[in-house]
Amino acid sequence: QTVVTQEPSFSVSPGGTVTLTCGLSSASVSTNYCPSWYQQTPGQAPRTLIYNTNTRSSGVPDRFSGSILGNKAALTITGAQADDESDYYCLLYMGSGSWVFGGGTKLTVL
Amino acid sequence: QVQLQESGPGLVKPSETLSLTCTVSGGSISGRYWGWIRQPPGKGLEWIGYVYYSGNTNYNPSLKSRVSISVDTSKNQFSLKLSSVTAADTAIYFCARYATSTFPNWFDPWGQGTLVIVSS
Repeated sequence: QTVVTQEPSFSVSPGGTVTLTCGLSSASVSTNYCPSWYQQTPGQAPRTLIYNTNTRSSGVPDRFSGSILGNKAALTITGAQADDESDYYCLLYMGSGSWVFGGGTKLTVL
Repeated sequence: QVQLQESGPGLVKPSETLSLTCTVSGGSISGRYWGWIRQPPGKGLEWIGYVYYSGNTNYNPSLKSRVSISVDTSKNQFSLKLSSVTAADTAIYFCARYATSTFPNWFDPWGQGTLVIVSS
């Protein structure tokens, strides 16, 4: 079973910049995996932030950006705000009509 | 704007079959892929599988022997069945639309989710 890795937790100061990553245990993540990113606050459904590696979903502030950094997909938050404190999940397309979520990163803003 | 709403029993007995329905409003179920995702309490998201409006499906290999997803275009609904459930299947179950009609793809929008507890 393919494992998609994310940092379990991360902390950022208000106004700071943080980069969360999404990797594979046995390969490099490329745009072919069509990485997407989702934000989830407690008790809520996930919200789509980024798709196709680096395209922001409608209504998502431009402080959120996606990219490939080295061999991983990355979500960067520039100028973090208190309400960015959430869980963040990446999703990778593994081909043949199957997908795998990363384990999620709990982001604290303090 | 497309909206999705999950419905079904919130409590299922061990060894029985979990059945959920997702009702799509604000748009047609035709021409798109539709998915199910679950999240055990306090844990991460897990992709369960998808159904195309024509009925084509694919499932997470770890669940493939127990899961079935179907679509009813006349009702604008799609459904999930998970058999032989155990406590490990206790989770919030989300339905979601795939954003485009081709692969690769991503989820947008999502339903609000429904909690299913497996307990006798």
